[in-house]
Amino acid sequence: DTEVTQTPKHLVMGMTNKKSLKCEQHMGHRAMYWYKQKAKKPPELMFVYSYEKLSINESVPSRFSPECPNSSLLNLHLHALQPEDSALYLCASSQVVSVGTEAFFGQGTRLTVV
Amino acid sequence: EDQVTQSPEALRLQEGESSSLNCSYTVSGLRGLFWYRQDPGKGPEFLFTLYSAGEEKEKERLKATLTKKESFLHITAPKPEDSATYLCAGRGSGTYKYIFGTGTRLKVLA
Repeated sequence: DTEVTQTPKHLVMGMTNKKSLKCEQHMGHRAMYWYKQKAKKPPELMFVYSYEKLSINESVPSRFSPECPNSSLLNLHLHALQPEDSALYLCASSQVVSVGTEAFFGQGTRLTVV
Repeated sequence: EDQVTQSPEALRLQEGESSSLNCSYTVSGLRGLFWYRQDPGKGPEFLFTLYSAGEEKEKERLKATLTKKESFLHITAPKPEDSATYLCAGRGSGTYKYIFGTGTRLKVLA
């Protein structure tokens, strides 16, 4: 099973709202990722967790707050977003090994900020 | 700086018309070159991993190859259901970052 599950599939939120995106995998992967993707653009890395610790933050604004409660779950907490934050948010996971292995992606959460 | 570049940006093929997509990379200490297929509004679907120059992988009508500077995704006798955006990504040594190219939008006409 190579499934990464993201919820919700769609989310509309106001600029003063607080919401969370959730991601779950049961492949035993210990690296988990958040990507942001705008239309007709490639995925853009936001955060990487390795063994439940934040290892990469690509200078993401603090209105995005990641959390990795355990090895299977990854959350992205959203607060005071701007309309330009509207995008497809993708979660991915991969093995943590020195040789590169493929990342598996979820189906994404389509976020609209109004 | 690590970089992955794909060409062409968009490609229209007639059903059955074979072609190739290009992915040029400069990734320090390449630890893997990955191909994904992405349908509109969906997450990328993993296709292939290539590790070393000369390696080839095949799946149905798709074949991926790797040289020291480029990777190619060959599509043989494509069908309309092969229409999608094809992304390639590289991962360098000592990092968990996947560097994505901008993708090739493929449209196969019946």
